[in-house]
Amino acid sequence: QVQLVESGGGVVQPGRSLRLSCAASGFTFSSNGMHWVRQAPGKGLEWVAVISYDGSQKYYANSVKGRFTISRDNSKSMVFVQMNSLRADDTAVYYCAKGIRTFPDDWGQGTLVTVSS
Amino acid sequence: EIVMTQSPATLSVSPGGRATLSCRASLSVSSNLAWYQQKPGQAPRLLIYDASSRAAGIPARFSGSGSGTEFTLTISGVHSEDFAVYYCQQYNDWPPLTFGGGTKVEIK
Repeated sequence: QVQLVESGGGVVQPGRSLRLSCAASGFTFSSNGMHWVRQAPGKGLEWVAVISYDGSQKYYANSVKGRFTISRDNSKSMVFVQMNSLRADDTAVYYCAKGIRTFPDDWGQGTLVTVSS
Repeated sequence: EIVMTQSPATLSVSPGGRATLSCRASLSVSSNLAWYQQKPGQAPRLLIYDASSRAAGIPARFSGSGSGTEFTLTISGVHSEDFAVYYCQQYNDWPPLTFGGGTKVEIK
């Protein structure tokens, strides 16, 4: 079955950087786009970024454009998001999700990022 | 950016009852709409895609309808495990993919 395991979350000061990872298994990773979606505490879902199956196309939410970079390593079945210039409003649980066509279907359990001084 | 609006924010339903959740798009999204269920402390789960197609393993009591700007998720015969928050999401015009604010289905 599909398994997605995020890691790399934690507490970080404003302005600093953090890199999240997502290890995928149970499907042909190199055939699927991958998404990052976040959820601030007590709030709804916010799409963050998507990367195509081969890494050639990347799209971002306006709220993170220029600060976050999504990437993938198909040889290791992993997807990443490099988060720079973090702000308090980036505090959220970050989920990676497998893409089917253009929308997420299977989701990981998430990793919490807290931006605080 | 297409704005998705869900109503009501909270829906009180008796077990065995019928729940009707609404989702409205600010522009037509054709049938490119998905519904997700999220229980406390858990990741979202895909229920419906293409407005009316059930995802694998989703019980038949969940049904989706609509196209254009108006969509409905219906739970016929609500089970105790169905009390959760439900989100709609459009994938017709992106980036960005956009979600509604969610509807919480609670026990009446």
